[in-house]
Amino acid sequence: GENVEQHPSTLSVQEGDSAVIKCTYSDSASNYFPWYKQELGKRPQLIIDIRSNVGEKKDQRIAVTLNKTAKHFSLHITETQPEDSAVYFCAASRYSSASKIIFGSGTRLSIRP
Amino acid sequence: SQTIHQWPATLVQPVGSPLSLECTVEGTSNPNLYWYRQAAGRGLQLLFYSVGIGQISSEVPQNLSASRPQDRQFILSSKKLLLSDSGFYLCAWSVFSVRGRRNYGYTFGSGTRLTVV
Repeated sequence: GENVEQHPSTLSVQEGDSAVIKCTYSDSASNYFPWYKQELGKRPQLIIDIRSNVGEKKDQRIAVTLNKTAKHFSLHITETQPEDSAVYFCAASRYSSASKIIFGSGTRLSIRP
Repeated sequence: SQTIHQWPATLVQPVGSPLSLECTVEGTSNPNLYWYRQAAGRGLQLLFYSVGIGQISSEVPQNLSASRPQDRQFILSSKKLLLSDSGFYLCAWSVFSVRGRRNYGYTFGSGTRLTVV
């Protein structure tokens, strides 16, 4: 079945440095790739997404890249801040009326002051 | 604008008791609806999803069930809770836009933290 693998499971970076989280997916028909941020005790919230017709998308300090050939996609956070500390989930799905999103296992990002 | 409501926020239930969690969506029609469970410090496990009234797909075998009696209502139930049913339960919705040929990402409800004792 469909599978999304996410690495690393935990990541600690110095405030101001960059953080990179990587994911791979198994379903070659996947064409929508959202990223979610979950703060402690709260619901996951969509922070950025990318569709298969583009290779990169940027929104202020966060960016996502997609390599459809290799079935890889990544989240990049630059100039990290304490409020970036959270669990991040990557996900993949297809365009369809009955799609379900397959999530990665999550990355716990900690920002060191 | 669309909103999703999920209740209760927290619940403590004894082993063997029944369960009913409710989720409703406002501001959209014919949404896809989902139930996820998240164990402490773990990932998101898809339990059920529904593409329409009365249409339920189960992802994992367990003692939980789901129902969709109305277009924007999704209910998670159990007849007898187990200790292993403890977790953070999240309802979510998405909409497929035929015109735009796009799926909108999930929007999650605020979650129900269930503790079975």
